[in-house]
Amino acid sequence: GQNIDQPTEMTATEGAIVQINCTYQTSGFNGLFWYQQHAGEAPTFLSYNVLDGLEEKGRFSSFLSRSKGYSYLLLKELQMKDSASYLCAVSLNTGGFKTIFGAGTRLFVKA
Amino acid sequence: DVKVTQSSRYLVKRTGEKVFLECVQDMDHENMFWYRQDPGLGLRLIYFSYDVKMKEKGDIPEGYSVSREKKERFSLILESASTNQTSMYLCASNEGQNTEAFFGQGTRLTVV
Repeated sequence: GQNIDQPTEMTATEGAIVQINCTYQTSGFNGLFWYQQHAGEAPTFLSYNVLDGLEEKGRFSSFLSRSKGYSYLLLKELQMKDSASYLCAVSLNTGGFKTIFGAGTRLFVKA
Repeated sequence: DVKVTQSSRYLVKRTGEKVFLECVQDMDHENMFWYRQDPGLGLRLIYFSYDVKMKEKGDIPEGYSVSREKKERFSLILESASTNQTSMYLCASNEGQNTEAFFGQGTRLTVV
């Protein structure tokens, strides 16, 4: 079966660094996405990893280890506007164009 | 500005009604998707389409059907709405398998 696990909720302080973990067990793996979703809004793309290692994009970085079925999203210099849900998603290569999503991690940034 | 537009933000329908959710994208994307999003379950794929008139079942297709007569439009149909189909429905599109998906604003459907 296909499974993606992420913590349900996290809380962090403005200005700090937070790491959101994602583990996956899937039959077939093409790459891993991270999306941000503010309450009541559509998910928006943050990052995509296909090779092992760290991808940095401004305050956000994403890491992938394919052998461990593990990824994390790192958010630096947290701002109040970073309060949102963060969705981990895996693109499968089992035929077709399926991408499956984890349940998401709700991040609360406090002052 | 790229756009995926869903026809309604909020809908209330009665049990047994046939419900149509419409989605239009202006990016000339080949692939379009319908997900439902429920608390604690995340986004679950209902159906997707990789070409006009082509469709594939996702993980939870039961009780749903889809139509893609034109490249830019992908419709989700609830043949006979039931209360367990009360959910947020999200449409998305992308260029290819490993490219980012662009999502519509979602339709919150309540079946009473």
